[in-house]
Formats: sequence, C-alpha cells, structure tokens
Amino acid sequence: GAVVSQHPSRVICKSGTSVKIECRSLDFQATTMFWYRQFPKQSLMLMATSNEGSKATYEQGVEKDKFLINHASLTLSTLTVTSAHPEDSSFYICSARDFRGGLAYEQYFGPGTRLTVT
Amino acid sequence: RKEVEQDPGPFNVPEGATVAFNCTYSNSASQSFFWYRQDCRKEPKLLMSVYSSGNEDGRFTAQLNRASQYISLLIRDSKLSDSATYLCAVPSGGGADGLTFGKGTHLIIQP
Repeated sequence: GAVVSQHPSRVICKSGTSVKIECRSLDFQATTMFWYRQFPKQSLMLMATSNEGSKATYEQGVEKDKFLINHASLTLSTLTVTSAHPEDSSFYICSARDFRGGLAYEQYFGPGTRLTVT
Repeated sequence: RKEVEQDPGPFNVPEGATVAFNCTYSNSASQSFFWYRQDCRKEPKLLMSVYSSGNEDGRFTAQLNRASQYISLLIRDSKLSDSATYLCAVPSGGGADGLTFGKGTHLIIQP
C-alpha cells in the first residue's frame, strides 16, 4: 500500500498557542488528502478534505478558522490548530488516496499526531 | 439510524477459532466498503476493500449483503496477533469523499 507520513507524532502545547501538523505522501502524489480526528474510545471523525491548489472542504461543525488547512503541493498537506484549547486534545490522522492502482476509493493513513493541550 | 454501526464487543475468542462480525450502513447507494484494522493508539491500516459481493484474502473474508445493508468480516484460524479493533468504513457521499467510520469492534484472541 501507499505510504503516508505525519509529523510530529506527538506534541504538547500550552493553551492559546498554534500547532502545525504535516502530512506527506511519500511514494505517490495525492491531489486529495483527508484530515480526521479521534477522541479516546471514539471512532475517527472526518474533519475536512484537503484539495491541492484549492480551498479545503470542511465537515459540518468543524471551524475552518480554527483548523487551517493548506495543500500547497501534491505531496504535502498541513493542518494548523490555531489558539489550541484543552478540548482540542485528540489524535489527528491524515489520509491520502492513491490513484495509481486505478481504484481511487482506498485511503491510506498516516501514523497520526497525538496533540495534548495543557 | 446511524450511518455506520458496529457491535463494539469485545469479542473474546480462543486462538484458532473462527470469528465474524457485521457492520450495517444506512446509505443504500454506497458502492464501496472498507475494513480497517486499528491497534491501540495507532493509525488504521487497510485490511480489505469490498466493491462487489465480497472479497477474500487468506484467512480474511468480507461479504456484502446489499439487501440488508451490511458487510461482514470473517476471520478463520484466528491468531493472537489478530487482536485489534476492526473498523468498518463507507465513503461519506460520492467516491471523492472522505470516509465515515463505525466505532469499531474490539477483538481479543485468547491463548
């Protein structure tokens, strides 16, 4: 399967600061990437769809001004959590779709970023 | 009805046994379905994709029942290493959308 990386894997920050998370497709180009969030004992919830060269599409209830997404190249999407608060503490995971095999629906996930806001 | 529903378990199964669990979905127009495996505090890893009636890969078989709107995952000859949470996922809308996940079924294989 396709390889997706994320950085950092873990971050602890103080309330009010901003945190940037990077998602990279390592062996393929990804015009579309997705950002998910997972709270403890909950399932993954789609936050937004990141489109290369255009604005991200946010799911209902996700504040676009708080979760800034930039997809400036075919291999990199970034998620910035602005003015983070303790309730933003979560496991943030990105995924990308690999079109090379012809089946465009399969998504491969990065290793995730565990954010703790104190 | 929730979009994607799974029995959370846990399913406690002896090593070597066969185990199956289901996932129901609400969108009758869904064309693709996925089973992911997630280990504790790790990312989901794609286990199987289902685009027609079913799929088989070694000890794992996924079957789709469109009439009843559920997909199943069958694991034969279970191994200790199969212990994990199994997530069912369905595209949120059209093919270009992100995935809607179930809450997962927790499987524990006991020696």
